[in-house]
Amino acid sequence: DIQMTQSPSSLSASVGDRVTITCQASQDISNYLNWYQQKPGKAPKLLIYDASNLETGVPSRFSGSGSGTDFTFTISSLQPEDIATYYCQQYDNLPRTFGPGTKVDIK
Amino acid sequence: QVQLQQSGPGLVKPSQTLSLTCAISGDNVSSNNTAWNWIRQSPSRGLEWLGRTYYRSKWYNDYALSVKSRITINLDTSKNQLSLQLHSVTPEDTAVYYCAREQWLAYFNYWGQGTLVTVSS
Repeated sequence: DIQMTQSPSSLSASVGDRVTITCQASQDISNYLNWYQQKPGKAPKLLIYDASNLETGVPSRFSGSGSGTDFTFTISSLQPEDIATYYCQQYDNLPRTFGPGTKVDIK
Repeated sequence: QVQLQQSGPGLVKPSQTLSLTCAISGDNVSSNNTAWNWIRQSPSRGLEWLGRTYYRSKWYNDYALSVKSRITINLDTSKNQLSLQLHSVTPEDTAVYYCAREQWLAYFNYWGQGTLVTVSS
């Protein structure tokens, strides 16, 4: 199985701050990487697919980059509604695997 | 628009079978660019993909090795209903279970609301 790691596991930032989360795959997955946002009690929501493509309707303050084994997810200006846990997920191989998540809250 | 509505019991006894359904609306379940998945989430295991079914001239299934011996995923096309059966459950199967649509065998762009299933006597 491809193992996904994320850092940090949690972070606190102020409204308007730039927030960056990293995700690393245990082997080369090209750009087969997605990012999801999950709020408490809700299902995950797709934000970014294919490492850098913004899902329709998702605010442009969210972005992703990377390829191979190292990926980055950025919120350019943190908003109160962005409080959530963020997950990366690979689709290079079965089983699909997710990172452990990064919990983002407001300082 | 696409909607996935889950149903099923929230409590299952150890050694019994966990059964959930996911009613799919607003989509062609036999489309050649989608797959229908079950994913679960628990504090100890995080988000864990369980398996999927999809149609490419015939129906295919893929299952996670961790549950392959005791899982069945089926799609009733007459009812547009996805089902999950997980046999011989233990307390370790306690989790929130989600159905999810996978687009282009790549990303999960629609999810059910989730069902908390507790395995306990």
